[in-house]
Amino acid sequence: DTAVSQTPKYLVTQMGNDKSIKCEQNLGHDTMYWYKQDSKKFLKIMFSYNNKELIINETVPNRFSPKSPDKAHLNLHINSLELGDSAVYFCASSQEVWDPTGEQYFGPGTRLTVT
Amino acid sequence: GQSLEQPSEVTAVEGAIVQINCTYQTSGFYGLSWYQQHDGGAPTFLSYNALDGLEETGRFSSFLSRSDSYGYLLLQELQMKDSASYFCAVRDLGSSNTGKLIFGQGTTLQVKP
Repeated sequence: DTAVSQTPKYLVTQMGNDKSIKCEQNLGHDTMYWYKQDSKKFLKIMFSYNNKELIINETVPNRFSPKSPDKAHLNLHINSLELGDSAVYFCASSQEVWDPTGEQYFGPGTRLTVT
Repeated sequence: GQSLEQPSEVTAVEGAIVQINCTYQTSGFYGLSWYQQHDGGAPTFLSYNALDGLEETGRFSSFLSRSDSYGYLLLQELQMKDSASYFCAVRDLGSSNTGKLIFGQGTTLQVKP
């Protein structure tokens, strides 16, 4: 039983292309996140949705657009891909926005390589 | 804003005990969390401390001293499978109603035979 799943796991594409990453959680959580992890393993929040409402929108190029069709799904669309977008993108979820423990469940990640 | 500092790398031998430190700077504090991430894997939640003291979960323990803005993760009876990156994390109180976590840069633990 996969708690948080992402597709695809690997994505290799050329500069200028548009791509999407999909995420689904079957935990019944209200809140979902997108993180970017760079080559130095720095993990940074990009976006968060709570019950389909965007609540965190970090300083991210507007080529990145999240979309949450329902509270179990959160997708990430990236336009005009650049070399610097190469990273691992993680989807995560938490029971509620203010889970006091900070416990978030992460998906397996999508390794994006832009050539 | 919030900031966290961790050592970048720690090396230890199998069976030993290792401590991974984390110091933080926050304008307020709601607790310190720890995550483990194996190479090629996803971060997984390990522990959370809101109050001072030691919390033990099997071979792993986590400690917090709020007065020192300091915490650590203690791994005992190290096993090869403990080789991973370990991240501490705190809430960003500038957006306290959003659940935003700020992660440290991670400590890579290498366990040697």
